[in-house]
Amino acid sequence: GAGVSQSPSNKVTEKGKDVELRCDPISGHTALYWYRQSLGQGLEFLIYFQGNSAPDKSGLPSDRFSAERTGGSVSTLTIQRTQQEDSAVYLCASSPRLTSTSSLPDTQYFGPGTRLTVL
Amino acid sequence: GDSVTQMEGPVTLSEEAFLTINCTYTATGYPSLFWYVQYPGEGLQLLLKATKADDKGSNKGFEATYRKETTSFHLEKGSVQVSDSAVYFCALSHGGSQGNLIFGKGTKLSVKP
Repeated sequence: GAGVSQSPSNKVTEKGKDVELRCDPISGHTALYWYRQSLGQGLEFLIYFQGNSAPDKSGLPSDRFSAERTGGSVSTLTIQRTQQEDSAVYLCASSPRLTSTSSLPDTQYFGPGTRLTVL
Repeated sequence: GDSVTQMEGPVTLSEEAFLTINCTYTATGYPSLFWYVQYPGEGLQLLLKATKADDKGSNKGFEATYRKETTSFHLEKGSVQVSDSAVYFCALSHGGSQGNLIFGKGTKLSVKP
């Protein structure tokens, strides 16, 4: 079946512009995660959705970052007033995670990522 | 907070050599442990996992054992192939209300024929 897809695959933008990154999770997966992969910081957790709600926004690096998920499916990550330090690969992952209190973490399935370059 | 430390790369080996990539963790409670792999030009994919102490995860000839006493989850393979060239990430996760992965910085492996 189809895996996690992300768009665009590459995005080049100018400093100060807003960008939107999209993630389509595996059909039926209730949990969705955003991560950021950069040379200096490695892989960092950004935000987690269970259905449409985001119980954990602790990883968002600043208030310029926001994310939403509608219909329990597609998610968008928005970065306002982009800065050069936002340049990174943004990864999305989904998992079946039927409840938010499952005792064991599910396997997460990752998309190919969006490479963001801020000039 | 929780963290994962893995050996710095890059690691370069000849085909059929033995591979060890060290991984240690710091965490409260009893996390699950994972190895993810990122092949060139591809997305992250799960290689193996272990959910409790003394569990051994295995896949594609790779193995790792969850050692609570040494807080380690070292990745091993007896005979690497050129096709194993990739970046390997050790990670941990708790269940419950979060479930996000906490990753090590990754180790790049290059296998030469």
